[in-house]
Amino acid sequence: LAKTTQPISMDSYEGQEVNITCSHNNIATNDYITWYQQFPSQGPRFIIQGYKTKVTNEVASLFIPADRKSSTLSLPRVSLSDTAVYYCFVGGFQKLVFGTGTRLLVSP
Amino acid sequence: GAGVSQSPSNKVTEKGKDVELRCDPISGHTALYWYRQSLGQGLEFLIYFQGNSAPDKSGLPSDRFSAERTGGSVSTLTIQRTQQEDSAVYLCASSLDNYEQYFGPGTRLTVT
Repeated sequence: LAKTTQPISMDSYEGQEVNITCSHNNIATNDYITWYQQFPSQGPRFIIQGYKTKVTNEVASLFIPADRKSSTLSLPRVSLSDTAVYYCFVGGFQKLVFGTGTRLLVSP
Repeated sequence: GAGVSQSPSNKVTEKGKDVELRCDPISGHTALYWYRQSLGQGLEFLIYFQGNSAPDKSGLPSDRFSAERTGGSVSTLTIQRTQQEDSAVYLCASSLDNYEQYFGPGTRLTVT
């Protein structure tokens, strides 16, 4: 199983860009990289997914280097409402391993 | 359309009792997943269904845990002879393409 490693916590201020990196050294060829966001007392919510290079949507960007052994979630201009736990998820059908999550705290 | 729903939202049970947790996935989603999240912890995979079959049961923590899915839709997670360490939030997710998972609100289980 592809194990993932993320920083336990990060602090930021409103309006700053936040980059959260996830390491997944044993990622398999068919694995996608997906990031989820979780607020207290709620289930995780999909943010972005990618396989290689860069993916961007209205919420975030995902940067994946050529070796795919890591990925970086980039949140532009965070707001207080972005305070949450962010999970990196590597896998597909049968490899369902979530990272420990990164607790992001955004302050005024 | 409706998202993933789970019931009950909260369940308090006595140690040794059996409990059943229900998950209604998004209509048409073929894949269904169960996870467990203990207080302050990350997500622990329990079991995954593709249709009605469960190709991966590796995450079930003991033989007291079982799950079934009928009609390719509703799934039930059963915990027999509950123990205090079973207390957690049990999350269900469903997926159409086996990658983006849509999560339900969870069932908070407390074993006293």
